[in-house]
Amino acid sequence: ETGVTQTPRHLVMGMTNKKSLKCEQHLGHNAMYWYKQSAKKPLELMFVYNFKEQTENNSVPSRFSPECPNSSHLFLHLHTLQPEDSALYLCASSQEKQGTLNIQYFGAGTRLSVL
Amino acid sequence: GESVGLHLPTLSVQEGDNSIINCAYSNSASDYFIWYKQESGKGPQFIIDIRSNMDKRQGQRVTVLLNKTVKHLSLQIAATQPGDSAVYFCAEQQANAGGTSYGKLTFGQGTILTVHP
Repeated sequence: ETGVTQTPRHLVMGMTNKKSLKCEQHLGHNAMYWYKQSAKKPLELMFVYNFKEQTENNSVPSRFSPECPNSSHLFLHLHTLQPEDSALYLCASSQEKQGTLNIQYFGAGTRLSVL
Repeated sequence: GESVGLHLPTLSVQEGDNSIINCAYSNSASDYFIWYKQESGKGPQFIIDIRSNMDKRQGQRVTVLLNKTVKHLSLQIAATQPGDSAVYFCAEQQANAGGTSYGKLTFGQGTILTVHP
């Protein structure tokens, strides 16, 4: 166990559905991240939250909507997705501090298939 | 643009052999270089890091080498075991980047390591 839990582990949805991915960290960290992992591509950073404030949005389409109600929980709301959005979505957390190594701890991911 | 990438997408070794996984990077402003291991069905797991002012760091059965002259990073695994089979990613981090996201990681594509018994 890494201390980062993602649910669900697998999700199949149609292009008109609305679903949410959930991430919870039990490590007391101040930062949480969403990544997209597609086949044959490096992990792509989507969003960063530090102390519940969004600090990064890497030009992610608006059909992905993150929510961070507190430092331990992170959601990714999905609506009107496209088949090319099918991927493994990974959540991570870290204790961000300037000037030091920030080790990110990852959850096991949600395998998303968009039909 | 700046990127971190890997030379070889796959590496196949016999159990007991030493493995070397390579990585090229282009951002000379990075403060840390990190190796992650991702096993099937799991998220990436931190293995070892090296600070930009170092050229070698050893862990348990793993050694990371950093050559800033040619912007090259490598991970050496001694006496490779079947449990080492996974995808290995290098990543870089700027701990003093402007703004508030000090923990941002830029990942390379990954190398698939397969260890045969």
